[in-house]
Amino acid sequence: QQQVKQSPQSLIVQKGGISIINCAYENTAFDYFPWYQQFPGKGPALLIAIRPDVSEKKEGRFTISFNKSAKQFSLHIMDSQPGDSATYFCAAINYGQNFVFGPGTRLSVLP
Amino acid sequence: ETGVTQSPTHLIKTRGQQVTLRCSSQSGHNTVSWYQQALGQGPQFIFQYYREEENGRGNFPPRFSGLQFPNYSSELNVNALELDDSALYLCASSISGAFTDTQYFGPGTRLTVL
Repeated sequence: QQQVKQSPQSLIVQKGGISIINCAYENTAFDYFPWYQQFPGKGPALLIAIRPDVSEKKEGRFTISFNKSAKQFSLHIMDSQPGDSATYFCAAINYGQNFVFGPGTRLSVLP
Repeated sequence: ETGVTQSPTHLIKTRGQQVTLRCSSQSGHNTVSWYQQALGQGPQFIFQYYREEENGRGNFPPRFSGLQFPNYSSELNVNALELDDSALYLCASSISGAFTDTQYFGPGTRLTVL
């Protein structure tokens, strides 16, 4: 019940294309959903986050879409660039209790 | 402004030994969280320390313990090491004990248990 599922496991996109990564959760107690980007040899870095009372949040080329009834959320990267090539993790937070990461999506953006 | 630092970078231990990993939080942060990241997996939350007190714990056995010092730096101790403890251990600091605060991660300590 504390699990967060993430797909796809890996993704290859052409430069300028749209990258879409999906996540799903089961525990309705989760109430904060961040996305992290991790480059090899580095720790994860926060990209963007959303609360369940909002259906969409956009920051630059990054957009989170959130479907509370389906318990699903997704990250869209518009105009994907080679520099976006990294591993992306969705996460779900249960206030004061736990912080659960998805298994990750390895994104490769081809030049 | 100094970011989150961790030491050592790499560590090799044998099964049954004990290990201590260290983390210095970012300036102005009073909260440190620890995560275990197995190869090819997402980080798993171990525990969080806020103002020297444990503020939340994930599903890890008691042989994983921690400490936070008055300067808000932190240690992760693992006793009776097992082969499955081989992983990247990440430390993250944040400005308060709220789980929704932005967490700033260090580069991690790679632990190998033989």
